Amino acid sequence: GENVEQHPSTLSVQEGDSAVIKCTYSDSASNYFPWYKQELGKRPQLIIDIRSNVGEKKDQRIAVTLNKTAKHFSLHITETQPEDSAVYFCAASILYGGSQGNLIFGKGTKLSVKP
Amino acid sequence: DAGVIQSPRHEVTEMGQEVTLRCKPISGHDYLFWYRQTMMRGLELLIYFNNNVPIDDSGMPEDRFSAKMPNASFSTLKIQPSEPRDSAVYFCASSSSAGPTDTQYFGPGTRLTVL
Repeated sequence: GENVEQHPSTLSVQEGDSAVIKCTYSDSASNYFPWYKQELGKRPQLIIDIRSNVGEKKDQRIAVTLNKTAKHFSLHITETQPEDSAVYFCAASILYGGSQGNLIFGKGTKLSVKP
Repeated sequence: DAGVIQSPRHEVTEMGQEVTLRCKPISGHDYLFWYRQTMMRGLELLIYFNNNVPIDDSGMPEDRFSAKMPNASFSTLKIQPSEPRDSAVYFCASSSSAGPTDTQYFGPGTRLTVL
C-alpha cells in the first residue's frame, strides 16, 4: 500500500523567511496530493492541493510542487508570519474518476515562525 | 452549512466502559471517514464509508472498535470495552465525489480520555 514520508518533523524560521516541507510517496498510482494545516487544538484544514496532471500550484504565499518521476511533492510558504505556526500534514491518494480514495497522511511537520 | 458535526467534543470515561462517538457529515457528501490522532502515531484512518457502506476498515485496531452508518447523515464509532490506550482525538471527515471538490472536511474532533 501507499506510504507517505514527511520531513522535517519540526521547522523553525524567522518571520519573513521561507519554509519548505517535503514529502515522498511510494505508490506511483497516487494522483492527488493535499496539504492540511492544523493549529493547536483545532481540526486539520485543507490549505492547498495538487493533482498529478499539474507540476506546480500557487495560492498567494503558499505553493506546492510535484515531481511524479521522483515521487515527491513539497509545500513552500513564503514571507512567513507568526500565524503560519501550526502542524502541516501532507497526504496522498488515488482518485478514480470522481471517487474519493483513501488519504494516507504523513506524520506532520510542526512549523514555528518566530517574530 | 454547519460543516461536519461531532459529539461529544470531550469524553472522559473509565476503563471498561462503552464509548460512542457521533458524527454528522456535510449534507450531500457521500464519503465519511473516521480518524484517530495521537502524538505517537499521528493521524490514522480507522474506517471509511461510501454511500453508507463500509469500504475499508483495515485501520480499525481490534474487535473492540466498531463503526456504523445507518443513514447518509449519521455515523457512530463505538469502543467497547474502552482502554487507556484508546485515549486520543477522534476526527470524522466527509467528502463528496460529485462536483469539483473531493477534499476531506474534518469535524472539530472528540477528545477521548480513558482513565
